[in-house]
Amino acid sequence: AQKITQTQPGMFVQEKEAVTLDCTYDTSDPSYGLFWYKQPSSGEMIFLIYQGSYDQQNATEGRYSLNFQKARKSANLVISASQLGDSAMYFCAMREVSGSARQLTFGSGTQLTVLP
Amino acid sequence: DAMVIQNPRYQVTQFGKPVTLSCSQTLNHNVMYWYQQKSSQAPKLLFHYYDKDFNNEADTPDNFQSRRPNTSFCFLDIRSPGLGDAAMYLCATSRDREREGRKAAEQYFGPGTRLTVT
Repeated sequence: AQKITQTQPGMFVQEKEAVTLDCTYDTSDPSYGLFWYKQPSSGEMIFLIYQGSYDQQNATEGRYSLNFQKARKSANLVISASQLGDSAMYFCAMREVSGSARQLTFGSGTQLTVLP
Repeated sequence: DAMVIQNPRYQVTQFGKPVTLSCSQTLNHNVMYWYQQKSSQAPKLLFHYYDKDFNNEADTPDNFQSRRPNTSFCFLDIRSPGLGDAAMYLCATSRDREREGRKAAEQYFGPGTRLTVT
C-alpha cells in the first residue's frame, strides 16, 4: 500500500488566488513528520513546510500553510495569493521515526500551474 | 551560500561507460542520501550514509555504488550505465537519522545532476 498519496497529478490556479494540494498518508508509527517540497523545472528540491505528528497547531510558513487532520491522515498544502513563480511540481513526503532507515517517503507529486 | 553542491549539473555518458557524480556539503550533516528521479516521478532513494555506515536500498541495482571518503563528500558511481539510468540524480543531507523533529529529519537537497546516456 502506498504510504503517501497525492491524488492530483495536475492543478491550475489563477494568479493571486489560493490553492490546496492534497496529501494523505498511511502509517502505524505514532511519531512521524510530514514535509512539502517544491521542485521547479530546474530540478532542485526546495523545502516549504514541516508538520510533526505531535504538533498541536497547523504549520505555517509565509504564504504556505499545512492543513493537518491527524484523524483523517491528511496533510494538505495551502498556498495563498498564488504567484507565477509558484508554478512547479509539489511533493508531499513523510518520515517515520521508527524503523531502521528513517528515510523520506515521497508522494507522486502534483504539477501546479499558475495562470496569469 | 550553497550548502549542498552537486557536480556536474549536466553529465552525458556513453552506454556502458562508467560515470561518477559528486556531492559535497558545507552543513557538516551526518547523513547523506542519493536519489534517482525519472521524469515526472517522485525521487527514489538509492542509498544513504550515516557517517561511514552505508545503507543500500533493497531494490537498488548492483550497477550503482557509492563512496563517502569524508563527512563533506559523497560520490555516486554508475559502473555500466544503461539507457534506463538516464535520470536526475539528487543528493541530500540531513543532520541526524536518529533524532526526531524537523531539524533532524529535514533533508537539504542539492541542485541535482541530470544524466544523459547515449
